[in-house]
Amino acid sequence: QKEVEQNSGPLSVPEGAIASLNCTYSDRGSQSFFWYRQYSGKSPELIMSIYSNGDKEDGRFTAQLNKASQYVSLLIRDSQPSDSATYLCAVNSGPGGSYIPTFGRGTSLIVHP
Amino acid sequence: EAQVTQNPRYLITVTGKKLTVTCSQNMNHEYMSWYRQDPGLGLRQIYYSMNVEVTDKGDVPEGYKVSRKEKRNFPLILESPSPNQTSLYFCASSLLGRHTDTQYFGPGTRLTVL
Repeated sequence: QKEVEQNSGPLSVPEGAIASLNCTYSDRGSQSFFWYRQYSGKSPELIMSIYSNGDKEDGRFTAQLNKASQYVSLLIRDSQPSDSATYLCAVNSGPGGSYIPTFGRGTSLIVHP
Repeated sequence: EAQVTQNPRYLITVTGKKLTVTCSQNMNHEYMSWYRQDPGLGLRQIYYSMNVEVTDKGDVPEGYKVSRKEKRNFPLILESPSPNQTSLYFCASSLLGRHTDTQYFGPGTRLTVL
């Protein structure tokens, strides 16, 4: 059974701070890793994808992957109230590069002014 | 506008009454999938389709059927709904179903089975 674990939160940070979201996964054969943002009552929206060890930066977002530790994280710099949402970690283990993801339960982030 | 649409957006029904939730995408995507989202359980894949007439089970397929007769449409069928199928359902699509493809989600269908 492939598992993806996230702290459900809520994680509360002040505006302008760095929010750090973490995710661990069980399947060592996992190939690709995704962070989605989901506002309440809305559909998930892809923020970042990462495929190799290390850091990947996109604007205020940085994804970090450590396959040896089976750990992926998302850093949000200069957090804004509009970042308040649930963040879903998804791990893909589809054969042949296909997309068959396992999602974590999500971490609720609250950015307070 | 490129999008994934689902209908209905909200549905309240009774146990055993067959229903279909439609999903359509206008991006010529080959890959489509269905998820359900439940509090405390996260998003779980029900079925996916890599192309027309090609479907496969996800993690929680029991009680559901799908069909893919046209590239743009991927309906989810509940032949005999039960209360444990009360959930928020999302359809999604991507270009070729590769793990590097961006997946686009529909707006969701909130289903209540009494």
